[in-house]
Amino acid sequence: RKEVEQDPGPFNVPEGATVAFNCTYSNSASQSFFWYRQDCRKEPKLLMSVYSSGNEDGRFTAQLNRASQYISLLIRDSKLSDSATYLCVVSGGSYIPTFGRGTSLIVHP
Amino acid sequence: NAGVMQNPRHLVRRRGQEARLRCSPMKGHSHVYWYRQLPEEGLKFMVYLQKENIIDESGMPKERFSAEFPKEGPSILRIQQVVRGDSAAYFCASSPRWGGEGTEAFFGQGTRLTVV
Repeated sequence: RKEVEQDPGPFNVPEGATVAFNCTYSNSASQSFFWYRQDCRKEPKLLMSVYSSGNEDGRFTAQLNRASQYISLLIRDSKLSDSATYLCVVSGGSYIPTFGRGTSLIVHP
Repeated sequence: NAGVMQNPRHLVRRRGQEARLRCSPMKGHSHVYWYRQLPEEGLKFMVYLQKENIIDESGMPKERFSAEFPKEGPSILRIQQVVRGDSAAYFCASSPRWGGEGTEAFFGQGTRLTVV
């Protein structure tokens, strides 16, 4: 089983739609969780951290479920500019951040 | 406050040559991570360094690859005797530390290595 697994997609949604991604992790000792965004041929950029209590930043909501070992990202009112690959990142006690392969999102007019 | 700086942005090397990739972390960040990304693939961890120390190099090939983060100057990822399979994007990330809230890592723009 891979350490961090994501559905590669692509998720193809119209503007204004709500879309959700899940990410599962295998190491129950994982302590830190993040979502990054990567545009084609660019560096990953931090989208948001995922806290135990969940967190929201504008149209984006992230949640953590430790019991089931998954994190989620919800994007409301999708924009064309949201088209990108979304990377789930998990790190455990060794603090080595492990990336999922990413989920591709395509928002179309 | 400048972000993570990597250079060169693009590097072309012939098979058998050496490639040196540099990474200057963000000011105040003492932790550096190197990742490799092949086309259409995810980011693969290579090595984690703090100043003058290699903390974890479990993701780095045993031969031809080495990394350092000296007391002064940038972190260097060195690839000796490059082969075509080394062609990839190499990203560096830095953080004040990794783990817990408020300690996210930030990435440089990457170095795209092409071996011809």
